[in-house]
Amino acid sequence: AQKITQTQPGMFVQEKEAVTLDCTYDTSDPSYGLFWYKQPSSGEMIFLIYQGSYDQQNATEGRYSLNFQKARKSANLVISASQLGDSAMYFCAMSLPYMNNNAGNMLTFGGGTRLMVKP
Amino acid sequence: NAGVTQTPKFQVLKTGQSMTLQCAQDMNHNSMYWYRQDPGMGLRLIYYSASEGTTDKGEVPNGYNVSRLNKREFSLRLESAAPSQTSVYFCASSVIQQGGEQYFGPGTRLTVT
Repeated sequence: AQKITQTQPGMFVQEKEAVTLDCTYDTSDPSYGLFWYKQPSSGEMIFLIYQGSYDQQNATEGRYSLNFQKARKSANLVISASQLGDSAMYFCAMSLPYMNNNAGNMLTFGGGTRLMVKP
Repeated sequence: NAGVTQTPKFQVLKTGQSMTLQCAQDMNHNSMYWYRQDPGMGLRLIYYSASEGTTDKGEVPNGYNVSRLNKREFSLRLESAAPSQTSVYFCASSVIQQGGEQYFGPGTRLTVT
C-alpha cells in the first residue's frame, strides 16, 4: 500500500521569503506521479505542480518548484517569494500507475500542512 | 467551460435519510472520482470510475454507492446517512493517462445529525 506523509502540521513564513513544505512517500511501484494541491480557506482544491517518477528534472511552475529526491522518497514543495495569498493548506498526493490496475489517476493524499504568511 | 460542477453545495440530513450528490464535468475526461475530507485531514478516495461503464471502490467505500451515468456525470449516493458521514465531499475528473491533473469541483458540505 502506498502512503504519503506530511510532517509539518503548520508553518509560518515571512512575506517575500522562500519556504519548503515537506512530503515523503512510500510505494513499491516504480511508476508513480506526485502532485501538490493548495486549498485556501474558501475550500477549493487548486493544482500547483506535478512530478513523474521517471522525470529527470525537478518540476517548476512559476514560484513553485518540486524538490524530487527519489532515493529518499521525498517530494518537497518550494515556494519562492511568499505572498500573503499563499496562506492556505497544502496537500501532497501520489497517484497509482494506471496500467497496473486500470485505476485512472486516483490520488492518495497526505494530511496537509497549513502555511501562514506573515506581513 | 464550467469544469467540474457539484450539487448541492450544502446539505443537512437526519440519521437514516438518503440522498444523492451529483457531479458533472465538461472536459471530456474519462476518469472521475469521489473523495471525502474530514476536518483537518487530507482527502480520502471513496469510489472512482476509471472510464465510462466502470466503477471501483476506493479507500473508504462503506455506506456509499456510485453511478457513472454517462461520460459526463458521476453520482454518489448515501442510502442511510450516519453522523460519521458528516464531511466535505469532492468530485474530481482527469484524463486516464498517468500524470493527468485532477480537476476538482467546489465540494459539498454535508452534515448528518
